[in-house]
Amino acid sequence: DAGVTQSPTHLIKTRGQQVTLRCSPKSGHDTVSWYQQALGQGPQFIFQYYEEEERQRGNFPDRFSGHQFPNYSSELNVNALLLGDSALYLCASSLGGSGYTFGSGTRLTVV
Amino acid sequence: DAKTTQPPSMDCAEGRAANLPCNHSTISGNEYVYWYRQIHSQGPQYIIHGLKNNETNEMASLIITEDRKSSTLILPHATLRDTAVYYCIVRVWGGSARQLTFGSGTQLTVLP
Repeated sequence: DAGVTQSPTHLIKTRGQQVTLRCSPKSGHDTVSWYQQALGQGPQFIFQYYEEEERQRGNFPDRFSGHQFPNYSSELNVNALLLGDSALYLCASSLGGSGYTFGSGTRLTVV
Repeated sequence: DAKTTQPPSMDCAEGRAANLPCNHSTISGNEYVYWYRQIHSQGPQYIIHGLKNNETNEMASLIITEDRKSSTLILPHATLRDTAVYYCIVRVWGGSARQLTFGSGTQLTVLP
């Protein structure tokens, strides 16, 4: 049984560009959360999607947006990339609000 | 969610028990204590959670003090593969509590 799958694993973008990260949740899970983890820090909550709607959002600007598809997979979009957006982006899936399973993340580098 | 305080780093000899403390003095009655760990370059991994009773699973034991203001995660026989950052998180179980609030965690280094 595959766990949470994220793609790509690594990505390099230039300042001002836009990026899309993808996440396939663990089988049986219906909720997807996204986290940003800067080097040396704990993961910070970006937002959570359930039933194709954003249910909760952390303290992140509108440049960060997302989407959830009918098959529960999700995308994280970041517009107008800044150097400070360089981080590990983690996707976590769950059934409702419990039992979180994390993917291995996408390492985004903005140059 | 209640704030947690953990030491930034700890060392443990391989084969010995690793005891990781966490303070959560402002915990509410309906908040659980969760532990996750993050091995380098991987996503966080769930370890264990509890409300007020001590809990044990195949990975670890969780000891919560009677006043619930602190807890200890115990890895009974630490191995080199247990080297990771360990996060103590306090939150309400499921429902409307949708996010996990991570602190800086404890870097546990298991020494050969």
